[in-house]
Amino acid sequence: GENVEQHPSTLSVQEGDSAVIKCTYSDSASNYFPWYKQELGKGPQLIIDIRSNVGEKKDQRIAVTLNKTAKHFSLHITETQPEDSAVYFCAAIPGWTSYGKLTFGQGTILTVHP
Amino acid sequence: DSGVTQTPKHLITATGQRVTLRCSPRSGDLSVYWYQQSLDQGLQFLIQYYNGEERAKGNILERFSAQQFPDLHSELNLSSLELGDSALYFCASSVGQGQPQHFGDGTRLSIL
Repeated sequence: GENVEQHPSTLSVQEGDSAVIKCTYSDSASNYFPWYKQELGKGPQLIIDIRSNVGEKKDQRIAVTLNKTAKHFSLHITETQPEDSAVYFCAAIPGWTSYGKLTFGQGTILTVHP
Repeated sequence: DSGVTQTPKHLITATGQRVTLRCSPRSGDLSVYWYQQSLDQGLQFLIQYYNGEERAKGNILERFSAQQFPDLHSELNLSSLELGDSALYFCASSVGQGQPQHFGDGTRLSIL
């Protein structure tokens, strides 16, 4: 089955710096890659997603890039703010026959210091 | 607010018991997914329903079962509970399969 590896497990940055989180996946048929932000006591919140026919997508301070050849995708957050502090998860849907089954990475704890 | 409603927020029970977790999807969403989140296993897919029918299964234990009703709400039933079943259980919904999934705030299950 699909395996998603996420790095780093923790990331500490100063306010205003950029943060990058990377994920690799194993199933070359995977076609949908969302990123979720989870705050304490809350469920995962979808912040951005990308499909396999697109190389990059941007939404204000957040961007995601996808390299299908290398089977990896990354989340980029620019001009970080303290409210960006949370756990971030990448995920993938492994192939066309897997319907909506998301396979998640292990998560990255992002801390933004004021 | 994602629009996905889960009840109850917290559940405390004993080993051997049975519980039911409830999920109301976002208006218009036909697919419902259940996930389990624990410290050692992370976020794991359990089961998916689409318009009342089971569509995909993950590593869901035989002691666990789910269903989606005609009004599209879903219930996850956990029986013969063990200490290791203590976890956060999340429901997500989407318009259709392969579409963005939106999560509720979960039910925290504690087995004593």
